Amino acid sequence: DIVMTQSPDSLAVSLGERATINCKSRQSVLYSSNNKNYLAWYQQKPGQPPKLLIYWASTRESGVPDRFSGSGSGTDFTLTISSLQAEDVAVYYCQQYYSTPPTFGQGTRLETK
Amino acid sequence: QVQLQQWGAGLLKPSETLSLNCAVYGGSFSGHYWSWIRQPPGKGLEWIGEINHSGSTTYNPSLKSRVTISVDTSKNQYSLRLSSVTAADTAVYYCARGYCSGGSCHNWFDPWGQGTLVTVSS
Repeated sequence: DIVMTQSPDSLAVSLGERATINCKSRQSVLYSSNNKNYLAWYQQKPGQPPKLLIYWASTRESGVPDRFSGSGSGTDFTLTISSLQAEDVAVYYCQQYYSTPPTFGQGTRLETK
Repeated sequence: QVQLQQWGAGLLKPSETLSLNCAVYGGSFSGHYWSWIRQPPGKGLEWIGEINHSGSTTYNPSLKSRVTISVDTSKNQYSLRLSSVTAADTAVYYCARGYCSGGSCHNWFDPWGQGTLVTVSS
């Protein structure tokens, strides 16, 4: 299984400020034949299922605000929220779908400072 | 707009079999893979397995010996059975759709069911 590790475990950011969450995979999730990174990001609010934010490491799902962006390649990835809004308070997960079983990071809890 | 509605027993005793169902409304049922994912209280997400409309399954090796996923295409439903449960199987269980387009499928998940808390306790 590909182990996914997120950092930090929790993060407090002031409203309007930038939030950055990191995700590292133990092996590369870049598929050389199509040059795509098999990495997704999800947002989970209390009592709700996860919501897909980003796939292919940087492609925003339809309807996701453009303050959310994903970057990185190979083994190191970042989710950035450019200007934190109150509704962004949640736990964020990265997930690789390069190999089976798909695996998730442990989650990063994002709060307001 | 695809929606997933899930249901099943929420309280089990050790050694019993967990049984959950997920109904798919809207969109294509036959063109996708359908997964089960679980989340122990306060913890992260674990993929359990998937099935397609033909009944082709893939399971997480960590649970393979105890998991059965089945499909009823006449009802656009699929089901999860997990045998010999223990307290370690206490979790919120989600059904979710994997992405497929033009015959190419990838395991990112959207949408998800609402989740079912299954508690295993004597």
